[in-house]
Parts: sequence; C-alpha cells; structure tokens
Amino acid sequence: EPEVTQTPSHQVTQMGQEVILRCVPISNHLYFYWYRQILGQKVEFLVSFYNNEISEKSEIFDDQFSVERPDGSNFTLKIRSTKLEDSAMYFCASSERGGANVLTFGAGSRLTVL
Amino acid sequence: GENVEQHPSTLSVQEGDSAVIKCTYSDSASNYFPWYKQELGKGPQLIIDIRSNVGEKKDQRIAVTLNKTAKHFSLHITETQPEDSAVYFCAASTLYNQGGKLIFGQGTELSVKP
Repeated sequence: EPEVTQTPSHQVTQMGQEVILRCVPISNHLYFYWYRQILGQKVEFLVSFYNNEISEKSEIFDDQFSVERPDGSNFTLKIRSTKLEDSAMYFCASSERGGANVLTFGAGSRLTVL
Repeated sequence: GENVEQHPSTLSVQEGDSAVIKCTYSDSASNYFPWYKQELGKGPQLIIDIRSNVGEKKDQRIAVTLNKTAKHFSLHITETQPEDSAVYFCAASTLYNQGGKLIFGQGTELSVKP
C-alpha cells in the first residue's frame, strides 16, 4: 500500500538552529500538508500546498516556517530559527485531490528543541 | 473559531464490548467528518468518514453517526478486539475548503483488555 515517508524520525536541535523536515508524499497525490502535535495536545493544521504554492496556512505558520517542493518527489518544512515551543511531532500528509478528501499521513518527525 | 471537542480522553473496555467516542464541532459549515486511528509510532490512519448528507455509515465493526442539528458525531466500535487499542481522533472540515484543513479533536486513547 502506498505510504507517505518522513525523515528524520527524530531530530534534536539547539534553540535558534534551522531545521528541515522532509517528506515523500504518495506519487500520484497533488496536495500536500503539514500538521503538528505538541505532546498531549491536538493535532493542528500548519499549511497546505498545491501547484507549487501555499493554498492555506494557519496562524502557527509564521515567517519562521516555509515549505518547498524542491523536486518531483520531496516536500519539505523548514523552521528557520527554532524555539523551545516548536518541539512537537510534525506530520506530513498528502491527498489526491483538494478539499475534504482522504489525507494519508506519514509516521511523523519528532522535533526536540533544547 | 473552529473547534472540535472529543470525549472521553481515555476509554477502557473488555474485549467483545462496544466502545463509543463522541465529538462536537462548532463550525456549522463543516460537512466532512473523518475518524483517524493512530497506533504507536505511526501516523494517523483514516478508518471511516462521513459526509453531511448522510446520518450514519457502517463498515464492518465500525460505524459513525452524525447529528447535524446538534453538531455532534460519534464513532461506534462493536465486538472490540485487543488490536483496536490505539488513539482515535475525530476531525471536521468543509468539502469546499480547498486547503484540505482538518480540525482535530483531542484524541481518545482506547484500551481493549483481553
């Protein structure tokens, strides 16, 4: 069964450092997403991406965050200068179509900011 | 703003019993309601979804009911098995939300005891 692959599974970084989380969406999917889950809290929407541009972003997704699809297979989330409160599990997801269609999630990347 | 509340946060049942998880949503424009199951070390996986033009949907031991007037929806698992043990998330979205943004509930940790 096709799956969304995320790397790294766990990253530890110092506050202020840049972090890039990588995702390989399902190959025929056209819409890509990042969500995050702070420990013990809800899964929260960060951003959606289609046709090489952001479709929608949440209030969390400020200037410190950026997304990119550098080639035909990868989808990345960059955090420019990490803060302690960025520590969370970050989930990538993809879907064939936009709107309320089935999202397939990856296993997540756990980010720990010290 | 949009919000989804989910109860209970933890649920423990005996194998073979039924489990019910309930969610309420605030945005009356919501019309797509998926349920995700998250096992340890994995990303959320869609198990069932319902759109607002139906009141109930079943898939083997899993069923979801929707009451649009009351703005709540529920997941019912019958004849529970130990492998049903996981965290379950409800979510809400709008079919016309091109960004594919899901608003998640807090999650319910279901434990099925043999």
